[in-house]
Amino acid sequence: LAKTTQPISMDSYEGQEVNITCSHNNIATNDYITWYQQFPSQGPRFIIQGYKTKVTNEVASLFIPADRKSSTLSLPRVSLSDTAVYYCLVGDNTGFQKLVFGTGTRLLVSP
Amino acid sequence: GAVVSQHPSRVICKSGTSVKIECRSLDFQATTMFWYRQFPKQSLMLMATSNEGSKATYEQGVEKDKFLINHASLTLSTLTVTSAHPEDSSFYICSARREGNTIYFGEGSWLTVV
Repeated sequence: LAKTTQPISMDSYEGQEVNITCSHNNIATNDYITWYQQFPSQGPRFIIQGYKTKVTNEVASLFIPADRKSSTLSLPRVSLSDTAVYYCLVGDNTGFQKLVFGTGTRLLVSP
Repeated sequence: GAVVSQHPSRVICKSGTSVKIECRSLDFQATTMFWYRQFPKQSLMLMATSNEGSKATYEQGVEKDKFLINHASLTLSTLTVTSAHPEDSSFYICSARREGNTIYFGEGSWLTVV
């Protein structure tokens, strides 16, 4: 299982763009990169998933360089409600590989 | 809306009793489900992989006789905490993989053992 490394915490202000980078140096060929958001006392919520280059949806963008050894979750114009813990996970999307969580990044958005 | 549902969301039980938590995939069949526990301000810790029709696979250090997992159907897995003690108090979360797609998590269940 590919291990991931993220910053423990980040601070931002409302309206700013936030970029959270995750390192996954031993990512395997079949592995996808998935980001989850977790609020206190709730289960993680799927944000975005990608394999390479750039993926964008209505809430975030995911940038993956050619070597795929890292990825960056980009949250445009964050609001107070984006304060949460963000987890980067790497795993095979076609099988039944278990997802092992790292420490996650605790994002605090201030007014 | 939620695609994986847990019940109950909160439960309080007396020390020494057993408590069951259910995890359901709402609109898809899940051959495999996963159970996690999470302590306050910590990350999720994988406890076991629940396989439909067969025995669960437990992570190292997780007592299989204490945390009984049953995956009797393709949409339901249950976690039973047997002879619960206060140190078992935690937030328990299940997840299920939608075939050919990503993994979705339940809302979580708070267990308090008094």
